[in-house]
Amino acid sequence: ETGVTQTPRHLVMGMTNKKSLKCEQHLGHNAMYWYKQSAKKPLELMFVYNFKEQTENNSVPSRFSPECPNSSHLFLHLHTLQPEDSALYLCASSQELPVNSPLHFGNGTRLTVT
Amino acid sequence: KNEVEQSPQNLTAQEGEFITINCSYSVGISALHWLQQHPGGGIVSLFMLSSGKKKHGRLIATINIQEKHSSLHITASHPRDSAVYICAALVGGSNYKLTFGKGTLLTVNP
Repeated sequence: ETGVTQTPRHLVMGMTNKKSLKCEQHLGHNAMYWYKQSAKKPLELMFVYNFKEQTENNSVPSRFSPECPNSSHLFLHLHTLQPEDSALYLCASSQELPVNSPLHFGNGTRLTVT
Repeated sequence: KNEVEQSPQNLTAQEGEFITINCSYSVGISALHWLQQHPGGGIVSLFMLSSGKKKHGRLIATINIQEKHSSLHITASHPRDSAVYICAALVGGSNYKLTFGKGTLLTVNP
């Protein structure tokens, strides 16, 4: 049990589909993150929310749309994705910013775009 | 060139051996994280440090700010330690943007 739960674990979608990834934490953390992990590449930060406010959009294409309705939940809405978007998408949380406290990661969603 | 470099990329050891994984960074940082990723994707935070040394069980992490270098040591390694170990640095005065190394794949054979 990591304390951060992501669903679904696996997702296959066509380029015209719309889907959402969900992340939930009940650790009382105030900062939540979406990361992308592509094969043979370092983790890339996509979005950061601090106290439900978006702090960072790291030049992510608009086909990825985050939503943070409250400090415990984070969504990543996906639409008209490309095959190169296939990757492991990881959600994480930390007590606060700056990130000088441990990060807690979910198990990730393995996304395949066909 | 990534601002955070790890070595080695791959490491194979026999059970019981002492393991060292290195992380070097080229810019000023305020914190450095060591993470462990098992097959299947889940990542666990091992250490967060900004100076000195931390120990947890068989794991030890050190950082030398002047030399811009950190090491992760595993004593009495075990097959269950097999995983990818990733260092990540909070660079450039950012309070949330971690720069990640590419990871070190450790395989410990029985």
